[in-house]
Amino acid sequence: EAGVVQSPRYKIIEKKQPVAFWCNPISGHNTLYWYRQNLGQGPELLIRYENEEAVDDSQLPKDRFSAERLKGVDSTLKIQPAELGDSAVYLCASSLGTSGFNTGELFFGEGSRLTVL
Amino acid sequence: RKEVEQDPGPFNVPEGATVAFNCTYSNSASQSFFWYRQDCRKEPKLLMSVYSSGNEDGRFTAQLNRASQYISLLIRDSKLSDSATYLCVVNNQGGKLIFGQGTELSVKP
Repeated sequence: EAGVVQSPRYKIIEKKQPVAFWCNPISGHNTLYWYRQNLGQGPELLIRYENEEAVDDSQLPKDRFSAERLKGVDSTLKIQPAELGDSAVYLCASSLGTSGFNTGELFFGEGSRLTVL
Repeated sequence: RKEVEQDPGPFNVPEGATVAFNCTYSNSASQSFFWYRQDCRKEPKLLMSVYSSGNEDGRFTAQLNRASQYISLLIRDSKLSDSATYLCVVNNQGGKLIFGQGTELSVKP
């Protein structure tokens, strides 16, 4: 079975440019998460979706970040304009229903590594 | 104060050693606890859950002390392949999984 798929794996852009990341969760997983991981830190939640509804976006910097999951399957995270401090790995994860909270088992993609110059 | 705190390490240990990692959490209403493993430049993966009575999975033992808001992970007979970053994860009352910054382990021959 395919795992969580993310693209692109790597992206280098200049500051003030836009960037977008795509995620396809594991088939049947209706809960999708976007995390950001800075070097030497643990992942920090940006947004969580239940199907197409964003149920927790309290940590998403809404002035420049946006996300969507229009059909409740794959998702896109956008940054516009990017700043130097946005350099990080953007991780997408999925879980079956809300079981991720109880079992703690989130399935992560390999991440999209962003470098802003 | 961070919600989940870990000693970042690195812990450098020889093969065969026993090593323990600690983690503290600030939200007393936290409901469930986990350890994840993250290899260098890879994604995090669930290692094990942490149960109130403590639990063991092979060479790995996890313990929880709710009174002290403290979680631990013990690795016995360390292998080279145990080298990774170990992330403490707490499910807070709001159903959010909060990750610690991770503790780096390096097992040397």
